[in-house]
Amino acid sequence: AQSVSQHNHHVILSEAASLELGCNYSYGGTVNLFWYVQYPGQHLQLLLKYFSGDPLVKGIKGFEAEFIKSKFSFNLRKPSVQWSDTAEYFCAVYDYKLSFGAGTTVTVRA
Amino acid sequence: NAGVTQTPKFQVLKTGQSMTLQCAQDMNHNSMYWYRQDPGMGLRLIYYSASEGTTDKGEVPNGYNVSRLNKREFSLRLESAAPSQTSVYFCASSETGGNSGNTIYFGEGSWLTVV
Repeated sequence: AQSVSQHNHHVILSEAASLELGCNYSYGGTVNLFWYVQYPGQHLQLLLKYFSGDPLVKGIKGFEAEFIKSKFSFNLRKPSVQWSDTAEYFCAVYDYKLSFGAGTTVTVRA
Repeated sequence: NAGVTQTPKFQVLKTGQSMTLQCAQDMNHNSMYWYRQDPGMGLRLIYYSASEGTTDKGEVPNGYNVSRLNKREFSLRLESAAPSQTSVYFCASSETGGNSGNTIYFGEGSWLTVV
């Protein structure tokens, strides 16, 4: 089964700063990639997903992610964060089941 | 459209007690899943059901059993709760497996504490 590594455990930013969260998975082949967000006290919501085609994927709320097959990576980015982006972010990879990374807590200071 | 509904939302159990977490989805999805979420460990798959009538073990099945009662419902049972099972449990569903382009939708979570 896949293992998923998220590079940062906790990221603290100021509003308007740019955000990049790293995600790597353990092996290649055909995989499907997701980023989920969990706002405080809420359930997981899908931010974006990649299955095929353009490796630069646009998601909701201004997020995007780039799939780099040669690096087994799927990094999440947002050019300018807002206080409301404070949440926990999970990268997930599906081959025969959905495997999650440990999550990155993002705190945006107003 | 309720999506994925889990009950109960909160539960405190004594060690050795049993309980069942209920999950239902109204999206006519074939696949359903149970995950547990623990700090610093992300979500780990307990059991999944690819279709009605089938169930399979995930990463951390020990101490749990599941029942896919029908297409809508997928329950998780703790036969003899242990403190290590204190966690937040999420039920999820998808039209088919996630490798077919289908998004996996999550319920709101069930907070379980075993004392």
